Amino acid sequence: DTEVTQTPKHLVMGMTNKKSLKCEQHMGHRAMYWYKQKAKKPPELMFVYSYEKLSINESVPSRFSPECPNSSLLNLHLHALQPEDSALYLCASTSPGNTIYFGEGSWLTVV
Amino acid sequence: GENVEQHPSTLSVQEGDSAVIKCTYSDSASNYFPWYKQELGKGPQLIIDIRSNVGEKKDQRIAVTLNKTAKHFSLHITETQPEDSAVYFCAATPAGGTSYGKLTFGQGTILTVHP
Repeated sequence: DTEVTQTPKHLVMGMTNKKSLKCEQHMGHRAMYWYKQKAKKPPELMFVYSYEKLSINESVPSRFSPECPNSSLLNLHLHALQPEDSALYLCASTSPGNTIYFGEGSWLTVV
Repeated sequence: GENVEQHPSTLSVQEGDSAVIKCTYSDSASNYFPWYKQELGKGPQLIIDIRSNVGEKKDQRIAVTLNKTAKHFSLHITETQPEDSAVYFCAATPAGGTSYGKLTFGQGTILTVHP
């Protein structure tokens, strides 16, 4: 089973709002990730949670904040975003067989 | 860090023809090379992958080859169908530990299969 579930599928938020993106998998995957994808570009890594340790891409601004409540859930908290943060946000996870699967993504628009 | 280059950026073929997409990577520590298909409005879908201890892998109409010495790997799609039309991304990630899963992607190839 390769299912990685992301909610919401679409989100529109103002620059002063606080919102969260959620990612869930129940296949015992050992690591989870957030990627950002702009139009016509490849995904870019933002954060990695592996064995409860967080690894950050240092170019990611602090207005993005990941949270891993347990090994099946990964949240991305959003605060004071800018219009240029509008993108497709992808969650991925690594299966016990070390295969990396992506969810369908959350489309974020910042107005 | 890792750098992955992918060619061509666009590829147009007739239904039934073969399509080949090539990628090169720079970091000799990379040992897992997945290929993803991304349709409009959807997330990347894993279609095939290969690890550095294998030279070739095939799954029905799709095959991937890896030349570790030359640091390049290729995706081969035979008997293409219109539903194969999508953006294809190659990617690479180093072996185990905390670096595993930090995928570096190629720039993508827009494949169009004409009926």
